[in-house]
Amino acid sequence: ETGVTQSPTHLIKTRGQQVTLRCSSQSGHNTVSWYQQALGQGPQFIFQYYREEENGRGNFPPRFSGLQFPNYSSELNVNALELDDSALYLCASSLPQGRMNTEAFFGQGTRLTVV
Amino acid sequence: SQQGEEDPQALSIQEGENATMNCSYKTSINNLQWYRQNSGRGLVHLILIRSNEREKHSGRLRVTLDTSKKSSSLLITASRAADTASYFCATAGLTGGGNKLTFGTGTQLKVEL
Repeated sequence: ETGVTQSPTHLIKTRGQQVTLRCSSQSGHNTVSWYQQALGQGPQFIFQYYREEENGRGNFPPRFSGLQFPNYSSELNVNALELDDSALYLCASSLPQGRMNTEAFFGQGTRLTVV
Repeated sequence: SQQGEEDPQALSIQEGENATMNCSYKTSINNLQWYRQNSGRGLVHLILIRSNEREKHSGRLRVTLDTSKKSSSLLITASRAADTASYFCATAGLTGGGNKLTFGTGTQLKVEL
């Protein structure tokens, strides 16, 4: 167990709907990143939050957005869901951004199915 | 997009044998990390090797890094059935820090009794 918790574990949504996924980071970690992992693929970086500000974004459209709260927990919001958004969404927390050589601690993920 | 490829895509060995997985990447890195994933759930960090290191050991794991070839290998010695999982390499770029990682495509390892 990494101390990073995600909710819900599974979710089924209809195309066009909106979804919010939640993540509580490990104690002491103020940097949170989100990843999308399609079936049979490696995780792809969506974005990172540091001190409640977005700090880096991967190749994802604006309908993927996020928030980080003062207690360092985070949300991932996806609007106008598409079938291709079906994936495992992983949250990872780590030590402060300035420390380059640190590991990431991943939650168990939220499995999103869009029908 | 994925940073690079992992080779092989799938590997099946007998318990007690060694397993070697290779990873190639495309851009300059600060460090390279290996993660393990069981049954499509969360990723577990295994080992981190910095760009100025060439080899690192942790228990039954041995990682090498060749920055001139932009490649790394993970060796698991004396494998066990519990090592059955998917293994991913991930690179951290020169800027940004934190956990902005670029993952490879993964190797599925199956260790049979």
